[in-house]
Amino acid sequence: QLQLQESGPGLVKPSETLSLTCTVSGGSITSTTYYWGWIRQPPGKGLEYIATIYYTGLTYISPSLKSRVTISVDTSQNQFSLKLRSVTATDTAVYYCARHVDAVLATISFFDYWGQGTLVTVSS
Amino acid sequence: SSELTQDPAVSVALGQTVRITCQGDSLRGYYASWYQQKPGQAPTLVFYGKSNRPSGIPDRFSGSSSGATASLTITGAQAEDEADYYCYSRDSGGNFWLFGGGSKLTVL
Repeated sequence: QLQLQESGPGLVKPSETLSLTCTVSGGSITSTTYYWGWIRQPPGKGLEYIATIYYTGLTYISPSLKSRVTISVDTSQNQFSLKLRSVTATDTAVYYCARHVDAVLATISFFDYWGQGTLVTVSS
Repeated sequence: SSELTQDPAVSVALGQTVRITCQGDSLRGYYASWYQQKPGQAPTLVFYGKSNRPSGIPDRFSGSSSGATASLTITGAQAEDEADYYCYSRDSGGNFWLFGGGSKLTVL
């Protein structure tokens, strides 16, 4: 059974960089079928797509966050990571990592396995 | 438009049928996927594409699409179906992905 687990600091100061890692177990991050993504959810609000990465390093990042986000993959550790620079209180959210299936020719895209999420609070 | 629009609140009587809709220009060219989220839990995929229901999801959950509107239908809603539901798809240009604003389903 595939499992994803987010890890990283739960508290980040304003203007600093939020760094999270997602560890994948029960499957290989180098599978050619899947991408790997990050989604966040501010307290009491809806889901927001952040970014997706393929094991080759190919990335897709939401236009609204593109200037502050870096996403990377470490195939030796079966992990992928998110960095969000210059954070403010509005970046306070539960951050989820998930397996991303995107079949463009079939016009289908979805997240089928999710981590439990990790709350990151931006505060001094 | 690059947005996916959902009704913020939807209600259904126990055992009845409810349709949760998602509107957006991108849905004319891309299928939606649907997620159920209960308080304090990660979202769960409940339907995707034209006719795909993940393993373990009850068959009372179904999906459809017509023009710029995708729908998730729950036939015979149960108390445990009370949750937030989100649609998800690509933007109309096919360049990135986005979620709808979510619909809070209340089972009366």
